[in-house]
Amino acid sequence: QKEVEQNSGPLSVPEGAIASLNCTYSDRGSQSFFWYRQYSGKSPELIMSIYSNGDKEDGRFTAQLNKASQYVSLLIRDSQPSDSATYLCAVNIPEDTGRRALTFGSGTRLQVQP
Amino acid sequence: SQTIHQWPATLVQPVGSPLSLECTVEGTSNPNLYWYRQAAGRGLQLLFYSVGIGQISSEVPQNLSASRPQDRQFILSSKKLLLSDSGFYLCALISWNQETQYFGPGTRLLVL
Repeated sequence: QKEVEQNSGPLSVPEGAIASLNCTYSDRGSQSFFWYRQYSGKSPELIMSIYSNGDKEDGRFTAQLNKASQYVSLLIRDSQPSDSATYLCAVNIPEDTGRRALTFGSGTRLQVQP
Repeated sequence: SQTIHQWPATLVQPVGSPLSLECTVEGTSNPNLYWYRQAAGRGLQLLFYSVGIGQISSEVPQNLSASRPQDRQFILSSKKLLLSDSGFYLCALISWNQETQYFGPGTRLLVL
């Protein structure tokens, strides 16, 4: 069973702080990693993708990937109340069937306190 | 860039009634298409996927079915709805030349 694990939270941080969201995955063959944000009642929207070990920065967001440890994280700097949402980690599982669907974690709920 | 349309946005249906949810996509050809369900406060459950016209694969046994009559159209159906079919239904795509998955706005279904 290919799995993606996230702490369900809620993770509560004060406004202006750094929020750190973590994700582990089980399939060593995975090559593509994604973070989605889902506001309550809305569909998931892509925040970032990362494919290589190391850090990738986009504005206030930094994705970190460590394939040896099978670990991917998302850092949100200067957290704002508008960042309060559920963050989904997703991983591709290499296969031959053409299915290509990402495997999603159950999400971490982030609460940014004003 | 690709766009996903879903309708209706919200639907309230009685138990035992039929269902038809439609998803159409723009801005891409020959995508993989997916139907997910998300129960309240829960994670995403992949229901069906399609790699092409008329090609449907089911991920979980259930009361629902899917069809892909055209390259950019994906339909989720049921002959008789159950209470347990309530949830947030999401259509998603992965373009043939990418790995990123994009979601439509979703349909919220309440079965009473």
